[in-house]
Amino acid sequence: QVTLRESGPALVKPTQTLTLTCTFSGFSLTTSGMCVSWIRQPPGKALEWLARVDWDDDKYYSTSLRTRLTISKDTSKNQVVLTMTDMDPVDTATYYCARCSYGFDSWGQGTLVTVSS
Amino acid sequence: QSALTQPASVSGSPGQSITISCTGTSSDGYFKFVSWYQQHPGKAPKLLIYDVTKRPSGVPDRFSVSKSGNTASLTISGLQAEDEADYYCSSYTSSSTWVFGGGTRLTVL
Repeated sequence: QVTLRESGPALVKPTQTLTLTCTFSGFSLTTSGMCVSWIRQPPGKALEWLARVDWDDDKYYSTSLRTRLTISKDTSKNQVVLTMTDMDPVDTATYYCARCSYGFDSWGQGTLVTVSS
Repeated sequence: QSALTQPASVSGSPGQSITISCTGTSSDGYFKFVSWYQQHPGKAPKLLIYDVTKRPSGVPDRFSVSKSGNTASLTISGLQAEDEADYYCSSYTSSSTWVFGGGTRLTVL
C-alpha cells in the first residue's frame, strides 16, 4: 500500500523560508521511472504543480517559481524535502506531495501552510 | 509555460452524462500524458484517468476520456450524487514539468 504524508509548519512569516517534508512508504524512489512531486492549492483555487524529483535525482521546477524552490530526496529515509524561500501571503495554500509517473497516482492528505505576520 | 483551459462549472441530473473539456494552449502544441483528477471538498485529489485514457483499478468505467488534437474530454455517464466534486486535468509538458487546468466544479442537480 502506497502512502505519503506531508509535514511542516502550519504558519510561516513573510520572507521566511518554508521547509516541507514528504515521508512515503510502499514504494522506493530508487526504482526506475519513479518520481515524487509537490503540488499546492490555495484556498478555493486550482492545483498548481511545483516541483519533482526523479529516481535518478533529476529535478524539475515550475517555471514561475524555480528561483524560490529546491527539492531533494533522502532515499534512506524515504523522504522528499521541498524548500521555498521568501514566503509571501499569496503562498498560503495546502501543499501536497504525490507519487508521479504518467500521472499522480497517490497523494498525501496535504498540509495547510498559512503565511502571515 | 503552457496552460490548460477547463470550463469553470458543469451540471447534470442523476443518470445523465456530462462532459468536461480540457484544452492545451502551449505554443509548442505539446499535450501528452493527460491525466484527470477528482477532488471532493476538503480531500486530496484522486487519480481518475492517466495516460489520456487509462483508468486505475477501482475507477468505474462510467468515467471515460477522449482526445482530439489539443483537447481532451472527460465524460461521466450515469451521473451519481457522489460524482459532485471538482475535476482537474493535467498534462506533461515539453519541459518535463506538469501543468494543471483551472478545475471544473461539477454540480449534480
